[in-house]
Amino acid sequence: SAVISQKPSRDICQRGTSLTIQCQVDSQVTMMFWYRQQPGQSLTLIATANQGSEATYESGFVIDKFPISRPNLTFSTLTVSNMSPEDSSIYLCSVEIGGADTQYFGPGTRLTVL
Amino acid sequence: AQSVTQLDSQVPVFEEAPVELRCNYSSSVSVYLFWYVQYPNQGLQLLLKYLSGSTLVESINGFEAEFNKSQTSFHLRKPSVHISDTAEYFCAVSGFQKLVFGTGTRLLVSP
Repeated sequence: SAVISQKPSRDICQRGTSLTIQCQVDSQVTMMFWYRQQPGQSLTLIATANQGSEATYESGFVIDKFPISRPNLTFSTLTVSNMSPEDSSIYLCSVEIGGADTQYFGPGTRLTVL
Repeated sequence: AQSVTQLDSQVPVFEEAPVELRCNYSSSVSVYLFWYVQYPNQGLQLLLKYLSGSTLVESINGFEAEFNKSQTSFHLRKPSVHISDTAEYFCAVSGFQKLVFGTGTRLLVSP
């Protein structure tokens, strides 16, 4: 496995602002993922972020709303832009380690938009 | 495309009783199967996984799951639960390097 950290752990933001979430892993990984978990619901994949290439977004998610950076093999950021209360969720990053699609998750960032 | 169904949104059980959390999947290709656990206010932790080989897989804290290809199921079981097992449990199936999660089952263990 790996040690995965996220910053911030939680935040309360005003409508119309943006928040950048950081994900740091203690080993080099090729594939990193960003998920959203809306209140009381399951996880939905936002995008896959591979180092050196553009992030690949899932249906319903767009780069203008959720820009992602992946500057190296241990770090990624997700920005939630022009936030509305509907963006209130837990945002989780994960990494694939050991192959076979096995993912390990960070502790999550709990975002509340007022 | 892959999909996962967790029929039970909530399973209440008394401490030391056995429990089964059900998971059924759908896929047109060979898959890997996973169970994750989410304790209150925490991220997801990998509980166990089936990749190949023996259809019965075990975790270090007493949970086990059995892959049943004919029934497309991957149910999670524990013969005797503890209060500390109270959490949300997610079944997931992989395909094309992505994980698809079920809606989760909340296990509530009471004394």
